[in-house]
Amino acid sequence: NAGVTQTPKFRVLKTGQSMTLLCAQDMNHEYMYWYRQDPGMGLRLIHYSVGEGTTAKGEVPDGYNVSRLKKQNFLLGLESAAPSQTSVYFCASIRSGSYNEQFFGPGTRLTVL
Amino acid sequence: AQSVTQLDSHVSVSEGTPVLLRCNYSSSYSPSLFWYVQHPNKGLQLLLKYTSAATLVKGINGFEAEFKKSETSFHLTKPSAHMSDAAEYFCVVITAGGTSYGKLTFGQGTILTVHP
Repeated sequence: NAGVTQTPKFRVLKTGQSMTLLCAQDMNHEYMYWYRQDPGMGLRLIHYSVGEGTTAKGEVPDGYNVSRLKKQNFLLGLESAAPSQTSVYFCASIRSGSYNEQFFGPGTRLTVL
Repeated sequence: AQSVTQLDSHVSVSEGTPVLLRCNYSSSYSPSLFWYVQHPNKGLQLLLKYTSAATLVKGINGFEAEFKKSETSFHLTKPSAHMSDAAEYFCVVITAGGTSYGKLTFGQGTILTVHP
């Protein structure tokens, strides 16, 4: 039981490049989330999903897209990276109704030059 | 709607002295509240959580927090700081009702520095 894993752990991009971050969980959780962490701002919700095939916007969705084709995976895409997207990205998952047990991934540190 | 305000961005204490990290929240429904800790370049670790049971919640590493509905507060305390407590702390609220869908709302974080 690996919990929540994120791939990659680190990445450096040039402005305009694209990439996809992968979040995977093996706990059969329905709900999954992508957050970004910036100094002095805590974690802010980018997008979330309440089930396979469904996604919704969070607090800061601009510049990102997501997909949830399989229940265990939640992908975060950057189509044209910008320096403002330099951040640490965390994925989380919870079981529907069990809002008191969130499971976080280890984070992905992304730098956009 | 839900929100969290951590009243101090930085707190500095001496080793062996008490720690107080302050958090106020706003929530339309009955909230669940959490404190997370993040050591430098590390992930998030759950310290403790309040889920409408006892208002005084004990967590790991000697930390505890008291839920005060009348003051909409959930302050984190520890009687005696240790050097290993130096980290960033996040107060987090989640609203089970409405259309929150389990979304967490984080405070801005409080950086705790512990001096020898």
